[in-house]
Amino acid sequence: DIRMTQSPSALSASVGDRVNITCRASQIISSWLAWYQQKPGKAPKLLIYKASNLQRGVPSRFSGSGSGTEFTLSISSLQPDDFATYYCQQYNAYSPPWTFGQGTKVEIK
Amino acid sequence: EVQLVESGGGLVQPGGSLRLSCAASGFDSSDYYLDWVRQAPGKGLEWIGRSRNKANSYITQFGASVTGRFTISRDDSKNSLSLQMNSLQTEDTAVYYCTREAAGDGVFDIWGQGTMVTVSS
Repeated sequence: DIRMTQSPSALSASVGDRVNITCRASQIISSWLAWYQQKPGKAPKLLIYKASNLQRGVPSRFSGSGSGTEFTLSISSLQPDDFATYYCQQYNAYSPPWTFGQGTKVEIK
Repeated sequence: EVQLVESGGGLVQPGGSLRLSCAASGFDSSDYYLDWVRQAPGKGLEWIGRSRNKANSYITQFGASVTGRFTISRDDSKNSLSLQMNSLQTEDTAVYYCTREAAGDGVFDIWGQGTMVTVSS
């Protein structure tokens, strides 16, 4: 299975800060990467697919980049609603098993 | 409104069985690939299984941790999906989410609210 590793595992930031979260795949996955946001007690929500495509309705302060094995989720100006845990997920070759990173918790500084 | 609603979670003893249901609304579930993803308490997300759409014969695929113990079925008349879980182990304790693949590509655009399964004696 493809292993996904996120860094950092947690970070503290202030409202207005720019935040970057990195996700690395154990093998090349082209751009077959999605990002999800999860708040406590809630289901994950799709933010970005195919590495850099913003899901409909997601604020433009979220962006994704990367290809191959290294990817980044950026939040340009952190808002109070953005404090949550973020997961990357690979969907290489449209063939499961799909695998997720371990998550990055974004906390208020 | 497009949504998925899970039900059927609860407490079960090790070695027991449980059946989860996922009711779809706002779309025809037979047109979509539907998956189950779980999350153990305080842990990350784990994909456990998938049912392709009707056009692809509802073929199912599973992750290694549940292969041979879990099955997925569909009921078109109820616009629903089910997860039959047998030989449950304590490590199966988790919130189970029903999800929809946006385009049969492994991207989950719709998630249910989740249902908790606790395996304990």
